[in-house]
Amino acid sequence: QSALTQPRSVSGSPGQSVTISCTGTSTDVGGYNFVSWYQQHPGKAPKLIIYEVSKRSSGVSDRFSGSKSGNTASLTISGVQAEDEADYYCCSYAGSPWVFGGGTILTVL
Amino acid sequence: EVQLVEAGGALVQPGGSLRLSCAASEFTFSRYWMTWVRQAPGKGLEWVANIDQVGNEKHYVDSVKGRFTISRDNAKNSLYLQMNSLRAEDTAVYYCARDWLWARDYWGQGTLVTVSS
Repeated sequence: QSALTQPRSVSGSPGQSVTISCTGTSTDVGGYNFVSWYQQHPGKAPKLIIYEVSKRSSGVSDRFSGSKSGNTASLTISGVQAEDEADYYCCSYAGSPWVFGGGTILTVL
Repeated sequence: EVQLVEAGGALVQPGGSLRLSCAASEFTFSRYWMTWVRQAPGKGLEWVANIDQVGNEKHYVDSVKGRFTISRDNAKNSLYLQMNSLRAEDTAVYYCARDWLWARDYWGQGTLVTVSS
């Protein structure tokens, strides 16, 4: 049950697009279309933004999109805004357990 | 609005026990799987355990198997996590979350468990 691999940090200027990767194996990310993404602001609970690889949660901006290729899932934020600065976590089904990524800090320059 | 409110976090000595609870409201609790997720200070999220709608099927991360027990009381709209033989590495904020379409769509605000002598 190893954690999924995410970059420790990414950054972008307002209006730019940023992509966060989430790499697993054929027993988690590659084996199921059950990847979800969560946004967490400091001191707050996580918030679901993407489920089942590419479906946006209710009320989430269409600037957020998800995709998957092989054992790697990706979260893309188009036209990044200051309010997007947060930690982002991917999560995948891995049989009985679920596994999270280590988290990525998004900095808006 | 769906609400999940955790309680029971505290400072406990290594080897001790603690029972967390999560009170659910504004949705039909008995229709959903429920999950516990934890976050150590300054660290990432870690899935801990989940339970089916009636409490028959339960799953745990390897690091807590045999020490933690997840349970629920649908009559009280409550989720529980009994934690025994606590270790320093169990120190974390513990969140309860509702499972929905292979994701966790609502989260509580979390309760802090500190294991230290």
